[in-house]
Amino acid sequence: KQEVTQIPAALSVPEGENLVLNCSFTDSAIYNLQWFRQDPGKGLTSLLLIQSSQREQTSGRLNASLDKSSGRSTLYIAASQPGDSATYLCAAGGSYIPTFGRGTSLIVHP
Amino acid sequence: NAGVTQTPKFRILKIGQSMTLQCTQDMNHNYMYWYRQDPGMGLKLIYYSVGAGITDKGEVPNGYNVSRSTTEDFPLRLELAAPSQTSVYFCATDRYNEQFFGPGTRLTVL
Repeated sequence: KQEVTQIPAALSVPEGENLVLNCSFTDSAIYNLQWFRQDPGKGLTSLLLIQSSQREQTSGRLNASLDKSSGRSTLYIAASQPGDSATYLCAAGGSYIPTFGRGTSLIVHP
Repeated sequence: NAGVTQTPKFRILKIGQSMTLQCTQDMNHNYMYWYRQDPGMGLKLIYYSVGAGITDKGEVPNGYNVSRSTTEDFPLRLELAAPSQTSVYFCATDRYNEQFFGPGTRLTVL
Protein backbone atom coordinates (compact mmCIF):
# COMPACT_ATOMS: atom_id res chain seq x y z
CA LYS A 1 0.00 0.00 0.00
CA GLN A 2 1.32 3.42 -1.02
CA GLU A 3 2.20 5.77 1.83
CA VAL A 4 2.98 9.44 1.34
CA THR A 5 4.78 11.52 3.95
CA GLN A 6 5.29 15.26 4.01
CA ILE A 7 7.96 16.83 6.16
CA PRO A 8 7.87 19.23 7.88
CA ALA A 9 4.25 19.34 9.01
CA ALA A 10 4.54 23.07 9.61
CA LEU A 11 6.96 25.77 8.54
CA SER A 12 7.25 29.46 9.37
CA VAL A 13 9.64 31.65 7.37
CA PRO A 14 10.27 35.36 6.85
CA GLU A 15 9.22 36.93 3.60
CA GLY A 16 11.76 36.65 0.80
CA GLU A 17 13.21 33.28 1.75
CA ASN A 18 13.58 30.46 -0.74
CA LEU A 19 12.13 27.28 0.70
CA VAL A 20 11.72 23.58 -0.04
CA LEU A 21 8.80 21.36 0.87
CA ASN A 22 9.36 17.63 0.88
CA CYS A 23 7.15 14.73 -0.17
CA SER A 24 8.20 11.08 0.04
CA PHE A 25 6.36 7.98 -1.16
CA THR A 26 6.99 4.29 -0.53
CA ASP A 27 6.00 2.75 -3.88
CA SER A 28 7.93 4.12 -6.84
CA ALA A 29 5.44 2.72 -9.37
CA ILE A 30 3.51 5.97 -9.63
CA TYR A 31 1.83 7.52 -12.65
CA ASN A 32 2.52 11.08 -11.55
CA LEU A 33 3.05 13.38 -8.59
CA GLN A 34 0.70 16.31 -8.08
CA TRP A 35 1.20 19.30 -5.77
CA PHE A 36 -1.79 21.23 -4.40
CA ARG A 37 -2.34 24.37 -2.41
CA GLN A 38 -5.16 24.62 0.13
CA ASP A 39 -6.16 27.90 1.75
CA PRO A 40 -8.06 27.75 5.09
CA GLY A 41 -11.66 26.69 4.57
CA LYS A 42 -11.16 26.20 0.84
CA GLY A 43 -10.72 23.38 -1.63
CA LEU A 44 -7.52 22.08 -3.19
CA THR A 45 -6.00 24.01 -6.08
CA SER A 46 -3.61 22.15 -8.35
CA LEU A 47 -0.19 23.80 -8.59
CA LEU A 48 1.97 21.40 -10.56
CA LEU A 49 1.69 17.93 -12.04
CA ILE A 50 4.80 15.89 -12.81
CA GLN A 51 4.33 12.83 -14.98
CA SER A 52 6.33 9.73 -14.04
CA SER A 53 8.57 10.20 -17.09
CA GLN A 54 9.43 13.79 -16.13
CA ARG A 55 11.98 15.11 -13.64
CA GLU A 56 10.55 18.55 -12.92
CA GLN A 57 7.90 21.13 -13.69
CA THR A 58 7.96 24.89 -13.24
CA SER A 59 5.28 27.52 -12.85
CA GLY A 60 6.35 31.04 -11.98
CA ARG A 61 8.16 30.98 -8.63
CA LEU A 62 7.32 27.30 -8.12
CA ASN A 63 9.46 24.37 -9.18
CA ALA A 64 8.62 20.76 -8.45
CA SER A 65 11.02 17.88 -8.92
CA LEU A 66 10.48 14.14 -8.95
CA ASP A 67 12.95 11.35 -8.22
CA LYS A 68 11.07 8.08 -8.52
CA SER A 69 14.06 5.90 -7.66
CA SER A 70 14.44 7.52 -4.26
CA GLY A 71 10.69 8.01 -3.74
CA ARG A 72 10.92 11.76 -3.34
CA SER A 73 9.46 14.96 -4.69
CA THR A 74 10.26 18.51 -3.66
CA LEU A 75 8.39 21.77 -4.14
CA TYR A 76 10.70 24.76 -4.31
CA ILE A 77 9.21 28.20 -3.68
CA ALA A 78 11.42 31.11 -4.64
CA ALA A 79 11.28 34.50 -2.92
CA SER A 80 8.38 33.57 -0.65
CA GLN A 81 5.58 36.08 -0.02
CA PRO A 82 2.91 36.35 2.68
CA GLY A 83 0.38 35.37 0.03
CA ASP A 84 2.09 31.98 -0.21
CA SER A 85 0.81 31.14 3.28
CA ALA A 86 -1.32 28.01 2.92
CA THR A 87 -1.18 24.25 3.30
CA TYR A 88 0.63 22.40 0.53
CA LEU A 89 -0.30 18.79 -0.21
CA CYS A 90 1.28 16.28 -2.51
CA ALA A 91 -0.46 13.28 -4.05
CA ALA A 92 1.17 10.22 -5.61
CA GLY A 93 -0.96 9.11 -8.54
CA GLY A 94 -1.54 5.42 -9.05
CA SER A 95 -3.98 4.06 -11.63
CA TYR A 96 -6.59 6.75 -10.91
CA ILE A 97 -6.47 6.30 -7.14
CA PRO A 98 -4.06 8.86 -5.72
CA THR A 99 -2.56 8.76 -2.25
CA PHE A 100 -2.33 12.07 -0.44
CA GLY A 101 0.13 13.29 2.14
CA ARG A 102 -1.12 15.17 5.20
CA GLY A 103 0.35 18.44 3.99
CA THR A 104 2.82 21.09 5.10
CA SER A 105 1.31 24.19 6.68
CA LEU A 106 3.35 27.20 5.55
CA ILE A 107 3.32 30.64 7.11
CA VAL A 108 5.30 33.43 5.47
CA HIS A 109 5.51 36.43 7.78
CA PRO A 110 6.29 39.98 6.63
CA ASN B 1 -16.64 26.35 -17.28
CA ALA B 2 -17.66 26.01 -13.65
CA GLY B 3 -15.45 22.94 -13.12
CA VAL B 4 -16.56 20.96 -10.06
CA THR B 5 -19.38 22.42 -7.98
CA GLN B 6 -20.64 21.18 -4.61
CA THR B 7 -23.74 22.02 -2.61
CA PRO B 8 -24.38 22.89 0.13
CA LYS B 9 -21.30 24.73 1.40
CA PHE B 10 -22.23 24.19 5.05
CA ARG B 11 -24.70 21.97 6.86
CA ILE B 12 -25.50 21.02 10.43
CA LEU B 13 -27.25 17.71 10.99
CA LYS B 14 -28.68 16.08 14.06
CA ILE B 15 -27.65 12.53 14.90
CA GLY B 16 -29.75 10.07 12.90
CA GLN B 17 -30.74 12.50 10.15
CA SER B 18 -29.98 11.86 6.49
CA MET B 19 -28.78 14.11 3.71
CA THR B 20 -27.33 14.13 0.22
CA LEU B 21 -24.22 16.06 -0.74
CA GLN B 22 -24.38 17.15 -4.34
CA CYS B 23 -21.49 17.19 -6.79
CA THR B 24 -21.66 18.26 -10.43
CA GLN B 25 -18.94 18.65 -13.03
CA ASP B 26 -19.00 20.15 -16.51
CA MET B 27 -15.63 18.85 -17.74
CA ASN B 28 -16.96 15.55 -19.09
CA HIS B 29 -14.52 13.58 -16.95
CA ASN B 30 -15.37 9.93 -16.43
CA TYR B 31 -13.65 9.51 -13.08
CA MET B 32 -15.17 11.11 -9.98
CA TYR B 33 -14.33 10.80 -6.30
CA TRP B 34 -15.58 11.63 -2.83
CA TYR B 35 -13.06 12.38 -0.09
CA ARG B 36 -13.36 13.45 3.49
CA GLN B 37 -10.77 15.61 5.19
CA ASP B 38 -10.37 15.65 8.94
CA PRO B 39 -7.99 18.09 10.68
CA GLY B 40 -4.40 16.86 10.47
CA MET B 41 -5.45 13.59 8.87
CA GLY B 42 -5.18 14.28 5.17
CA LEU B 43 -7.71 13.13 2.61
CA LYS B 44 -9.45 9.77 2.78
CA LEU B 45 -11.26 8.26 -0.17
CA ILE B 46 -14.90 7.35 0.49
CA TYR B 47 -16.18 6.22 -2.91
CA TYR B 48 -15.21 6.66 -6.52
CA SER B 49 -16.74 6.13 -9.93
CA VAL B 50 -15.12 5.32 -13.27
CA GLY B 51 -18.19 6.27 -15.27
CA ALA B 52 -21.97 6.45 -15.27
CA GLY B 53 -23.47 3.40 -13.61
CA ILE B 54 -20.18 2.23 -12.05
CA THR B 55 -19.13 2.96 -8.47
CA ASP B 56 -16.70 1.37 -6.04
CA LYS B 57 -15.71 1.67 -2.39
CA GLY B 58 -12.70 3.57 -1.21
CA GLU B 59 -10.91 3.46 2.10
CA VAL B 60 -13.77 4.65 4.38
CA PRO B 61 -17.17 3.80 2.78
CA ASN B 62 -19.13 2.81 5.90
CA GLY B 63 -22.13 5.07 6.54
CA TYR B 64 -22.20 6.43 3.00
CA ASN B 65 -23.77 5.57 -0.32
CA VAL B 66 -23.30 6.90 -3.84
CA SER B 67 -24.92 6.69 -7.24
CA ARG B 68 -23.79 7.76 -10.69
CA SER B 69 -26.60 7.94 -13.20
CA THR B 70 -24.96 10.59 -15.41
CA THR B 71 -21.42 11.65 -16.25
CA GLU B 72 -22.05 15.05 -14.65
CA ASP B 73 -23.46 14.13 -11.23
CA PHE B 74 -22.07 12.07 -8.36
CA PRO B 75 -24.15 12.57 -5.18
CA LEU B 76 -23.03 11.25 -1.79
CA ARG B 77 -25.74 10.05 0.58
CA LEU B 78 -25.37 9.96 4.35
CA GLU B 79 -27.84 7.72 6.14
CA LEU B 80 -28.25 7.94 9.92
CA ALA B 81 -25.69 10.67 10.47
CA ALA B 82 -23.22 10.15 13.32
CA PRO B 83 -20.81 12.59 15.04
CA SER B 84 -17.91 10.67 13.46
CA GLN B 85 -19.10 11.96 10.08
CA THR B 86 -18.34 15.55 11.05
CA SER B 87 -15.81 16.52 8.42
CA VAL B 88 -15.17 18.48 5.25
CA TYR B 89 -16.23 16.59 2.14
CA PHE B 90 -14.59 17.12 -1.22
CA CYS B 91 -15.69 15.93 -4.62
CA ALA B 92 -13.06 15.60 -7.34
CA THR B 93 -12.72 14.53 -10.94
CA ASP B 94 -9.76 13.01 -12.72
CA ARG B 95 -8.40 13.35 -16.23
CA TYR B 96 -5.32 11.33 -17.10
CA ASN B 97 -4.44 11.01 -13.40
CA GLU B 98 -4.71 14.76 -12.74
CA GLN B 99 -7.24 15.61 -10.04
CA PHE B 100 -9.60 18.61 -9.97
CA PHE B 101 -11.40 19.49 -6.76
CA GLY B 102 -14.64 21.18 -5.80
CA PRO B 103 -14.80 23.79 -3.01
CA GLY B 104 -16.03 21.35 -0.38
CA THR B 105 -18.98 20.89 1.99
CA ARG B 106 -18.41 21.43 5.70
CA LEU B 107 -20.69 19.08 7.65
CA THR B 108 -21.26 19.08 11.39
CA VAL B 109 -23.25 16.32 13.08
CA LEU B 110 -24.51 17.17 16.57
